[in-house]
Parts: sequence; C-alpha cells; structure tokens
Amino acid sequence: RKEVEQDPGPFNVPEGATVAFNCTYSNSASQSFFWYRQDCRKEPKLLMSVYSSGNEDGRFTAQLNRASQYISLLIRDSKLSDSATYLCVVLKTGTYKYIFGTGTRLKVLA
Amino acid sequence: GAVVSQHPSWVICKSGTSVKIECRSLDFQATTMFWYRQFPKQSLMLMATSNEGSKATYEQGVEKDKFLINHASLTLSTLTVTSAHPEDSSFYICSAQQGYEQFFGPGTRLTVL
Repeated sequence: RKEVEQDPGPFNVPEGATVAFNCTYSNSASQSFFWYRQDCRKEPKLLMSVYSSGNEDGRFTAQLNRASQYISLLIRDSKLSDSATYLCVVLKTGTYKYIFGTGTRLKVLA
Repeated sequence: GAVVSQHPSWVICKSGTSVKIECRSLDFQATTMFWYRQFPKQSLMLMATSNEGSKATYEQGVEKDKFLINHASLTLSTLTVTSAHPEDSSFYICSAQQGYEQFFGPGTRLTVL
C-alpha cells in the first residue's frame, strides 16, 4: 500500500461547481498535512496546510479525519484558473521529509 | 519572502555527459534542502536530503555516486547528474526547508539525448 494515495482523476467540472478530493495516508502517527497545487511543468505551490480542526481559505476548505486516515480538499465555485493538479502531502513522522501523493488532476470547463 | 531559484531551468545534453543543477534560497538560509525527481504524469519522488556541511542522505534506490549532492553554504545546494543517460531525463525540483515548510524551486527539465 502506498503511503499517500489519491485518485488521479481527471475531474472535469463546469465553472461554478463544487468539487472535493480525498487523500488517504497509511501512517496513523502522521502529524502534518498539506495540499499543494501544481500547474503543468511548474513547481508545486502550497495551497494550504491542513489542521485538525479543519480550515478554510476563501473558496477552499481542508479537513482532516484521523480516525479514517484521510484528508480532503473542497473547492467551491470553481474557476477556470483552478485547473491544475492537486497534490496531497504528508510529513513523514520524525523527519522533515514530504511524502507526495500522485496528485489529482482537475479541469474546470467553461 | 521564501524564494528558491534553480539554474538552469532546462538543459539538453548528450548521453554520457554530466550536468550540474543549482538550487539557491534567495532570501533565507536553509540548512536542509531536498532534491526531487518527477517523471511525466507521476508525482514528486524524493531523491535525497541535502544537509549543509555534511553528506547528503539518499533515499532507497537512488545511486549516490550517480547523483552527487553538495551543500556548501546555507543558501546553495547542487545536484550533479553524472554520466547522464536518456532514462535520467526528468524534471528535477529542489526545495529549501524553513520550519516544517518546504519552498520549492521552479524546477530543471533535463533531457538526455
């Protein structure tokens, strides 16, 4: 089983739609989680950290479910500019190493 | 703040040559930097952890003699792909650590002919 798993997609959604991605992780001791966004042929950019209580940043909401070992990202009112690959990242326990999921590709259609 | 640069942004070389990639933290010091590789339609795979003033720590399956890492200062780490072959063609990305967060460079696209 991979340490971090994501549905690769693609998710094709119309503008204005709400879309959610899930990511599961295998190590129950994991403490820190992030969502990154990666555009084609570019480096990943931090979208948001994921806190235990859940957190929201504008149209984006991240949730953590420790019992089921998954994190989620909800995007409301999708924009064309949201089209990208969304990477789930888990900090490897006891280190500063990032473990990346394979990414979920989102296409927002006009 | 927290800007990381990489040079070159792309390189094309002949099989058998060596290629050096630089990673710099421009506005902060980083005792730890990371080197990743990303093949098309795959995620980032950590190759090694670069520690200023000490030897790099390589992930399992990554040949340390092929991918030479030097972290000579708090703002610069270099990755040298020695005797590059077509299968080394990939997108190489570095990151610099600040706290728990990593800041990524723009990546270097390597094509080996």
